[in-house]
Amino acid sequence: DQQVKQNSPSLSVQEGRISILNCDYTNSMFDYFLWYKKYPAEGPTFLISISSIKDKNEDGRFTVFLNKSAKHLSLHIVPSQPGDSAVYFCAARGSQGNLIFGKGTKLSVKP
Amino acid sequence: EAGVAQSPRYKIIEKRQSVAFWCNPISGHATLYWYQQILGQGPKLLIQFQNNGVVDDSQLPKDRFSAERLKGVDSTLKIQPAKLEDSAVYLCASSFTPAINGYTFGSGTRLTVV
Repeated sequence: DQQVKQNSPSLSVQEGRISILNCDYTNSMFDYFLWYKKYPAEGPTFLISISSIKDKNEDGRFTVFLNKSAKHLSLHIVPSQPGDSAVYFCAARGSQGNLIFGKGTKLSVKP
Repeated sequence: EAGVAQSPRYKIIEKRQSVAFWCNPISGHATLYWYQQILGQGPKLLIQFQNNGVVDDSQLPKDRFSAERLKGVDSTLKIQPAKLEDSAVYLCASSFTPAINGYTFGSGTRLTVV
């Protein structure tokens, strides 16, 4: 059973427009949520995180929104750039500090 | 700051053979993780070390997988004997503590079992 779910395997967006990547989770005890970005043949790199006591965190073009009642978070990228094309993983921090990952969403930003 | 180093980058072995992966974490990082990422899936935790002690190995297939962290620094992950379903990227990551800003991953070792 997946505790972190990314139901969209892929997303295609035009350059300059907004990209919205979604993530759902099942365990209300998770205290932090993170987004990682992964290019081919590289390890995942940390992008942005949010505490479970907040509902929004912003870092430049990246904003993460958390809706605890719906157990849902989303990553907004505005404006999207071709260099943002990658696989994005949503992750939740478990009780031991380990991260539980979703399956990822492949974002393609077209020029 | 140097990143997390992993070797080898690629490995192809036949089923039932053994293989070992090596990880050198970022200096000073007490926590080290091994993850397995099967194609089309997200990374799945295999084992978590705090210094040289095991914090969580509940998802490590202990009949064939083993891991150790020597002197709380480098770590090796071994598979013996390998099965076809072990084909995956093995990722090592490290952090100072269970970090709120995540942790740093290495580039991974891509294992193909034929």
